[in-house]
Amino acid sequence: EADIYQTPRYLVIGTGKKITLECSQTMGHDKMYWYQQDPGMELHLIHYSYGVNSTEKGDLSSESTVSRIRTEHFPLTLESARPSHTSQYLCASSDRDRVLGNSPLHFGNGTRLTVT
Amino acid sequence: RKEVEQDPGPFNVPEGATVAFNCTYSNSASQSFFWYRQDCRKEPKLLMSVYSSGNEDGRFTAQLNRASQYISLLIRDSKLSDSATYLCVVNLLYSSASKIIFGSGTRLSIRP
Repeated sequence: EADIYQTPRYLVIGTGKKITLECSQTMGHDKMYWYQQDPGMELHLIHYSYGVNSTEKGDLSSESTVSRIRTEHFPLTLESARPSHTSQYLCASSDRDRVLGNSPLHFGNGTRLTVT
Repeated sequence: RKEVEQDPGPFNVPEGATVAFNCTYSNSASQSFFWYRQDCRKEPKLLMSVYSSGNEDGRFTAQLNRASQYISLLIRDSKLSDSATYLCVVNLLYSSASKIIFGSGTRLSIRP
């Protein structure tokens, strides 16, 4: 089972601040993802990576950026936080499966961001 | 039309009842299928994969119907702790890429 960690668990920050949400996994998974989810709403993919130095934007447009310098680390950065960024951010990883294309996603426990 | 569709519910059933959810998908390139469970304000957690022949894990049974392009989840003898949102997940496999699509979820509430 994947071990995937997100920090911080909760973050309350003022408008205009730069923030970085951390995500690390210890299973050597190639693929990593960032999802955004508002309470009671569906998941939206905002970024994904299929390996080191590979990053792509997801289905939902986001002002955030990501980097993948190491396999285990996939941080998400907001250069200037705004109240509209208030949401839960979920990081996930999966292994590459030659037959299925993707093994199941394993999620971190999320970062709940509030921008005041 | 969404690529993966679920009845949003909520399903409100008494403890001990049997409840079933369906999930339909539109893309025939869909290769693998999963059910996830998400508790309120928590991350989604894998409940079970769905295999072509159908599979069972305790009180949970998953079925796949490729001809009609739907998957189902059956919960028998439901418990209060089964109250959650159940997410259907479809993995599309193309020649050079793959894509994971989440349904919007079905809310289940088990009452005493």
